Amino acid sequence: QSVLTQPASVSGSPGQSITISCTGSDTDISSYDFVSWYQLHPGKGPKLIIYDVNNRPSGISDRFSGSKSGSVASLTISGLQAEDEADYYCSSYTIFSIFVFGSGTAVTV
Amino acid sequence: QVQLQESGPGLVKPSETLALTCNVSGGSITYHHWSWVRQPPGKGLEWIGYIYYSGETHYTPYFKSRVSMSVDTSKNHFSLNLRSVTAADTAVYFCARGQTDDRHFDSWGRGTLVTVSS
Repeated sequence: QSVLTQPASVSGSPGQSITISCTGSDTDISSYDFVSWYQLHPGKGPKLIIYDVNNRPSGISDRFSGSKSGSVASLTISGLQAEDEADYYCSSYTIFSIFVFGSGTAVTV
Repeated sequence: QVQLQESGPGLVKPSETLALTCNVSGGSITYHHWSWVRQPPGKGLEWIGYIYYSGETHYTPYFKSRVSMSVDTSKNHFSLNLRSVTAADTAVYFCARGQTDDRHFDSWGRGTLVTVSS
C-alpha cells in the first residue's frame, strides 16, 4: 500500500554520490514541505536523517541532503561510505492528515 | 534521551486481536504524537496511525475499520489494538514519536515481530 514510489535499489562506489527519488502526488509531496527520510538497518529501528524536505537532525552527517521539486522529493548521499548501506524510506504528510511512506530503496555500497 | 520499547505477544491466532504497547522512557508522553508503523517480511514500511497525547487519533484508511489506539499518560505508554488479524498482518511493528507540531518521526523503537498463525 505504498503511495510514494522509490527505485527498488541504488548502488554506488565508496566516495561517490547517489540520489534516491521519491515520487508522490498533489495530495502529499506537492501539498506540503513535510517530506522526511529514514535509514533502516536490519534489526534496528528506522533513523530520521532528513525532515521538512532538507533539514538534518542533530548528529546526522552533512553528506545527507534533501530536496523537492513539485511532487518529487530526492535524497542525496555524497561521499558514499560502507556504513551507508541500508534501506531508505521517504515519508510525507498528506492533505488527509495522515502519513504515507515510500516503497523503500536498498542502497548498496 | 527518549527511548521507545515495544512489547506484546509475538504470536497471535487468526481472527484474534493483536495488542501491543510502547513504553516511553527518558521523556514525557505529553506534547507529542505517537505512531505505529509496521514492516511485513520482505516489504516496506506501512504507517498505521497515530495518537496525540490528548487522545486525538488519525488512522490510515486501510486499517481504520480494525484499529484503535490509546495513550496512558500516567504510565507513559501508548497502545495499539488491531482486530481480526490474518496472516497478512504478520510484521515487525514499530512505535515512533513526533513532536506535536512536527510532521516526522524523530525517535523510534527497535520493533517487535508479531506472527499471525494458528
